Amino acid sequence: SAVISQKPSRDICQRGTSLTIQCQVDSQVTMMFWYRQQPGQSLTLIATANQGSEATYESGFVIDKFPISRPNLTFSTLTVSNMSPEDSSIYLCSASDPMVSQYFGPGTRLLVL
Amino acid sequence: ILNVEQSPQSLHVQEGDSTNFTCSFPSSNFYALHWYRWETAKSPEALFVMTLNGDEKKKGRISATLNTKEGYSYLYIKGSQPEDSATYLCAFPLQGAQKLVFGQGTRLTINP
Repeated sequence: SAVISQKPSRDICQRGTSLTIQCQVDSQVTMMFWYRQQPGQSLTLIATANQGSEATYESGFVIDKFPISRPNLTFSTLTVSNMSPEDSSIYLCSASDPMVSQYFGPGTRLLVL
Repeated sequence: ILNVEQSPQSLHVQEGDSTNFTCSFPSSNFYALHWYRWETAKSPEALFVMTLNGDEKKKGRISATLNTKEGYSYLYIKGSQPEDSATYLCAFPLQGAQKLVFGQGTRLTINP
């Protein structure tokens, strides 16, 4: 199984600012994903982080708001840009290889004031 | 829009009692169903990946069943312990891919 770490584990930010969340996997994985869970809501997929190319975003999520990088097979970043209180969520990265269960990081708890 | 529904949303159980909760999902184009346990401030932990109708999987005191024809899965916990307190999530892979659609979860609290 893959071990995934995320930084920061939590943050409190002012509206209008941006926060970059880092995700590190302890082994090379084929696929990495970014999810968020808003209060009282389901875990929702934001995008698939593609190594060496632009991320693939789900409906309702755009690159300008959530730029994602994946420079190699073990690392990805998600930036939450121009934050508003509605962006207060838990953000999780996950990693998987085909036919294997997904492994998740511990999450980044973000509060936007 | 794919709907994955879990019930109940929250559950309080006395230590030692057994409990169960439900995940409903679309019965068409079934590929697999995942169960996760998510404790506060920890990573969601994979419990089961279920693929066959009638499947039953077990991990210690936790077991799960699957009915793909009617589109539901049950998770059972026998003899609940305080360490079972967590949110239990089910997830449905989209189009057979690794992208998961999650239910809202069942938040389980075990009262000592």
